[in-house]
Amino acid sequence: SQTIHQWPATLVQPVGSPLSLECTVEGTSNPNLYWYRQAAGRGLQLLFYSVGIGQISSEVPQNLSASRPQDRQFILSSKKLLLSDSGFYLCAWAAGRAGELFFGEGSRLTVL
Amino acid sequence: KQEVTQIPAALSVPEGENLVLNCSFTDSAIYNLQWFRQDPGKGLTSLLLIQSSQREQTSGRLNASLDKSSGRSTLYIAASQPGDSATYLCAVTGNAGKSTFGDGTTLTVKP
Repeated sequence: SQTIHQWPATLVQPVGSPLSLECTVEGTSNPNLYWYRQAAGRGLQLLFYSVGIGQISSEVPQNLSASRPQDRQFILSSKKLLLSDSGFYLCAWAAGRAGELFFGEGSRLTVL
Repeated sequence: KQEVTQIPAALSVPEGENLVLNCSFTDSAIYNLQWFRQDPGKGLTSLLLIQSSQREQTSGRLNASLDKSSGRSTLYIAASQPGDSATYLCAVTGNAGKSTFGDGTTLTVKP
């Protein structure tokens, strides 16, 4: 069966520090991969998605970037965090563009 | 641009009641619609997926319907239990394979 792992679960970082959130999927090949951010009490905002290695599409101009160095690995990064980057970040995968979405457990980022 | 609206934003019911959550979307050109459950501080758990060619899907006490032409979906929960308390989100996936989410309905089932 397929599983998705996301880490770290919780992160507290000072303004201006770098960020790296990692996500890996097991049990499937060539998944579509997604990074979402969820503001408190709100729905999810799509940040990045990838249909293959090295293929990244950005949905919202911001202080973040994403990379897909391996088929089942998706990384969310920032060189210098802003206060506004605080939030709940969720990684997801789907088998193709019409497939069911499956989410990781999320990473809670607090920027101080 | 696709917009997804969920009504009501919050709902409180006594245990045992049947209830309906609503989801509406503005662009009917979708691949599928998915309902999720989210517990506080957790990720999303997929409940039901309805492909654009389907009218409904059922899983246990849950039944979801889709009326693509009118841009509406409902999630029906039968015989609600306290363990059903959570936030329920719907999402529609469009032609580009990107999903748009509603803000969710927070359900509280009182014992």
